[in-house]
Amino acid sequence: GAVVSQHPSRVICKSGTSVKIECRSLDFQATTMFWYRQFPKQSLMLMATSNEGSKATYEQGVEKDKFLINHASLTLSTLTVTSAHPEDSSFYICSARSPRAMNTEAFFGQGTRLTVV
Amino acid sequence: AQTVTQSQPEMSVQEAETVTLSCTYDTSESNYYLFWYKQPPSRQMILVIRQEAYKQQNATENRFSVNFQKAAKSFSLKISDSQLGDTAMYFCAFMKHNNDMRFGAGTRLTVKP
Repeated sequence: GAVVSQHPSRVICKSGTSVKIECRSLDFQATTMFWYRQFPKQSLMLMATSNEGSKATYEQGVEKDKFLINHASLTLSTLTVTSAHPEDSSFYICSARSPRAMNTEAFFGQGTRLTVV
Repeated sequence: AQTVTQSQPEMSVQEAETVTLSCTYDTSESNYYLFWYKQPPSRQMILVIRQEAYKQQNATENRFSVNFQKAAKSFSLKISDSQLGDTAMYFCAFMKHNNDMRFGAGTRLTVKP
């Protein structure tokens, strides 16, 4: 299967600072990546769809100025949590569709646990 | 919008026995894919099994099989010969072709020795 790497796996930051999370497709090119957020004991909620070379598409209720997404290359999408607050603490997961799987399957990164103190 | 419903927040099963996890979904699409993912404590999402909506035959992967009822929009997962390592959160997911993936609320499965 295709490999998606997410970095960092854990990050602790101070309230008011910004944090960048990277999502890389290691062995395939991903024109589209997805960012999810998962609260403890809850499901994955789609935040936004990241499209290479164009603006991300955000789900309703997700602040695009708060969660900046950049998909500058076919193998890298980044999520920046700006001016982080404790309520932004969560588990963030990225995924990408692989052309090898005819875009009919998603491959997930390992996730990033963000703690804002 | 597509919705995925998992009505069993928690399930438990004795080791070596069989358990079935339920999932229903709502869509007006005819071309889509359904998945079951396992999320162990590491929180890495692991694909368990997938089903293409156009295929009538139920997918199977070793001890895992699905009961796909397209007309009823039902997609249950059967785990046979349950093992301790099957203990995890299980998420049912729906994906339209070339689109994003949507998840159910999840079922926490505990396999008891």
